Amino acid sequence: AQKITQTQPGMFVQEKEAVTLDCTYDTSDPSYGLFWYKQPSSGEMIFLIYQGSYDQQNATEGRYSLNFQKARKSANLVISASQLGDSAMYFCAMRVAGAGSYQLTFGKGTKLSVIP
Amino acid sequence: DGGITQSPKYLFRKEGQNVTLSCEQNLNHDAMYWYRQDPGQGLRLIYYSQIVNDFQKGDIAEGYSVSREKKESFPLTVTSAQKNPTAFYLCASSLRQGRGEKLFFGSGTQLSVL
Repeated sequence: AQKITQTQPGMFVQEKEAVTLDCTYDTSDPSYGLFWYKQPSSGEMIFLIYQGSYDQQNATEGRYSLNFQKARKSANLVISASQLGDSAMYFCAMRVAGAGSYQLTFGKGTKLSVIP
Repeated sequence: DGGITQSPKYLFRKEGQNVTLSCEQNLNHDAMYWYRQDPGQGLRLIYYSQIVNDFQKGDIAEGYSVSREKKESFPLTVTSAQKNPTAFYLCASSLRQGRGEKLFFGSGTQLSVL
């Protein structure tokens, strides 16, 4: 079975500083995809960044980057130059190629609060 | 604009009542999904559909039912058999099934029991 672990229930960061949100995963399938989503208080899930298990380079999308360490099975999200609008829940998720269903498994999330 | 529309935003259910949550997408996506979110928890998959007239159970399908008669629509019915229905429900879609296919989400429906 696939599992995603986010060990930080809550994080605080000063505005304009960088912050790292931790995510570890567990799967025996060599082919998988890792996602990060942001959930503001409005409730909608917003896609941030994707990393494939065979990708050689770490993914980047604007201020978001994914620190992918395959051997350690970690996929930490780095947000640079934090903004007040970054305050939200952040979820790490994984999709595995096996089993034919490509279900997306989510972690429990990290609540990020940006301090002015 | 293309997207996923969920309605209603808030829904109340009485004991023994079935309620239906609406989900419509105009993204021309093949796959659609229903997730349940409880406070302090991640999302858990209820049902998903890869094509019209076909759907599969997710991890927590008991007490729920779905239909997929049209590509654009994937309604979720919360039946009276679901004893703890209070939660936030999110509908999502993806162009197709695949390791790298990202999901697009609606804005959710908050269901509460009266």
